[in-house]
Amino acid sequence: EVQLVQSGAEVKKPRATVKISCKISGYSFTDYYIHWIQQAPGKGFQWMGLVDPHDGETIFAENFQGRITISADRSTDTVYLELSSLKSEDTGIYYCARDFTQTHYDSSGYCDFWGQGTAVTVSS
Amino acid sequence: SSELTQDPAVSVALGQTVRITCQGDSLRTYFPSWYQQKPGQAPTLVFYGENNRPSGIPDRFSASNSGNTASLTITGAQVEDEADYFCNSRDNSGNYNYVFGPGTTVTV
Repeated sequence: EVQLVQSGAEVKKPRATVKISCKISGYSFTDYYIHWIQQAPGKGFQWMGLVDPHDGETIFAENFQGRITISADRSTDTVYLELSSLKSEDTGIYYCARDFTQTHYDSSGYCDFWGQGTAVTVSS
Repeated sequence: SSELTQDPAVSVALGQTVRITCQGDSLRTYFPSWYQQKPGQAPTLVFYGENNRPSGIPDRFSASNSGNTASLTITGAQVEDEADYFCNSRDNSGNYNYVFGPGTTVTV
């Protein structure tokens, strides 16, 4: 059974950094891209970026460039999202999601399995 | 970046048909995906690409694409179909990006 299990809720102060994990199981870790998607109140869904777990290559959305890091740990089958310089507008739920396209093809953006979401609250 | 627009809400009687539309320039280039989200849950992929329904999704869900408009149709809506529905596609404005519609709340 494919599962993406995310780490728990976080409360952070402005200008802090948050790191969220996404533990993968049920398929070969390196076979599929993983996306990170933000769902913020009043802003809907925003695509943040993706990682190819096979080689660690990443692509980031322009809106998050400069303060986002996505990494893939092949030893633990875990993908991480790190977001720095947090602002109140970063409050929301963060999802990891598997791209249904295998990594030897271009990402399709069609996400067939999602983590349960991690709530991040940014407040002073 | 590109934008996708959706009607905020639609109601449908039990067993009747409802169509949810999504409009945006990126849909002229890329086929969308459609997600269902119920309160407190992660989204579920219900349709993607030109004409693809993931396994486990009832065949009452169908989709179509024409020009800058994509549609998701529920034929014979059930109580369990009450949810928010979001469209999503690759951005065609130049930067590598994916864009989401604001969502349509379907009430059965």
